[in-house]
Amino acid sequence: GAVVSQHPSRVICKSGTSVKIECRSLDFQATTMFWYRQFPKQSLMLMATSNEGSKATYEQGVEKDKFLINHASLTLSTLTVTSAHPEDSSFYICSAKDPGTGNNEQFFGPGTRLTVL
Amino acid sequence: AQSVTQLDSHVSVSEGTPVLLRCNYSSSYSPSLFWYVQHPNKGLQLLLKYTSAATLVKGINGFEAEFKKSETSFHLTKPSAHMSDAAEYFCVVSDWSGNTPLVFGKGTRLSVIA
Repeated sequence: GAVVSQHPSRVICKSGTSVKIECRSLDFQATTMFWYRQFPKQSLMLMATSNEGSKATYEQGVEKDKFLINHASLTLSTLTVTSAHPEDSSFYICSAKDPGTGNNEQFFGPGTRLTVL
Repeated sequence: AQSVTQLDSHVSVSEGTPVLLRCNYSSSYSPSLFWYVQHPNKGLQLLLKYTSAATLVKGINGFEAEFKKSETSFHLTKPSAHMSDAAEYFCVVSDWSGNTPLVFGKGTRLSVIA
């Protein structure tokens, strides 16, 4: 199946700093990528849909000025957590659709564990 | 609107015994249904998917699931549990066209006892 990577896999930062997480589709072009957040022992919550060449679509309750999403190419979307605080500590997972599969399966990255001190 | 209910938050089985993880869904449209597995601190791996073809779907690692429209269910089964099956399992629904986001169930943690 299609492969999606994330970088970094883990990041620890101080409160007030910004952190950028990259999501790449390695062997296909993804016009649409998705960003999820997962709290410990909970399910995934969709944060936003990232569209190549246009603005991201954010889910209700997600601050777009805090979670900046950029989808500048067909293989890369970035999520920047601005002015991070301890409550932003979470597991962030991206996914992408492969248009070539002809169905709505999403391929997930391995996730990024963010810890804000 | 779509929703997914995973009926058990935690299931514990002995190694070598059958596994049953229950999932009920609600969808206004013809659904696509998925089961994903997540090992600790890892991303999600697709086990199997139903997209309006055969109602009995076979996946990886010996798992299978049956789509039952009359019961709005998509339960995941495996004849014989292995220690490596211990993980978190998510049932997921979307519409067949992919025009709606994936909706995740709350997950079922599977423990396998030696």
